[in-house]
Amino acid sequence: GQQVMQIPQYQHVQEGEDFTTYCNSSTTLSNIQWYKQRPGGHPVFLIQLVKSGEVKKQKRLTFQFGEAKKNSSLHITATQTTDVGTYFCAGLNSGGSNYKLTFGKGTLLTVNP
Amino acid sequence: DTEVTQTPKHLVMGMTNKKSLKCEQHMGHRAMYWYKQKAKKPPELMFVYSYEKLSINESVPSRFSPECPNSSLLNLHLHALQPEDSALYLCASSQSERGVNTEAFFGQGTRLTVV
Repeated sequence: GQQVMQIPQYQHVQEGEDFTTYCNSSTTLSNIQWYKQRPGGHPVFLIQLVKSGEVKKQKRLTFQFGEAKKNSSLHITATQTTDVGTYFCAGLNSGGSNYKLTFGKGTLLTVNP
Repeated sequence: DTEVTQTPKHLVMGMTNKKSLKCEQHMGHRAMYWYKQKAKKPPELMFVYSYEKLSINESVPSRFSPECPNSSLLNLHLHALQPEDSALYLCASSQSERGVNTEAFFGQGTRLTVV
């Protein structure tokens, strides 16, 4: 079945440093979504990427979708303490009858003020 | 209204109890989902309802029984659970389950403890 690998599992940074998390899928994806889950909270949708090579920005967050639609990254510039949480990528499989989202294991980001 | 509301927020139940989790959304979404999330793990899909019909069952044990009474409501009936079923149960909805409009809105979850 489809697998979505995400690295790193944990990342601890000083406030103001940059942060990047990476996702790789074993199969070509129809789209990829990113979610953020604060400690004790629920996943909150951040963004969806659909096109090959797509790049989207949300303030300090930059999201990329690979040309082959099998990998993606989330980069945060100049982290703040409010960025703390677990960032999940979730891929939607392309083709076949299986349209379920497959979540990566997530990257837990902690920020030292 | 962009919320998915889940009740109860916390639930403690014995292994012989029967209980139900409830989920409601008023965004007109036609796909609704149950996920199970253990601590420090990603959400794990259990069921998908599309247009009030069960679309995906991820080989979930029969002690979990989903129900979709109408397009706004989703229930999860629990019976004879095991302690290892203790987890955060998340409901989510999206405009559709296929194609582009699949971004999911999650409820705050029900934290279930089975004793």
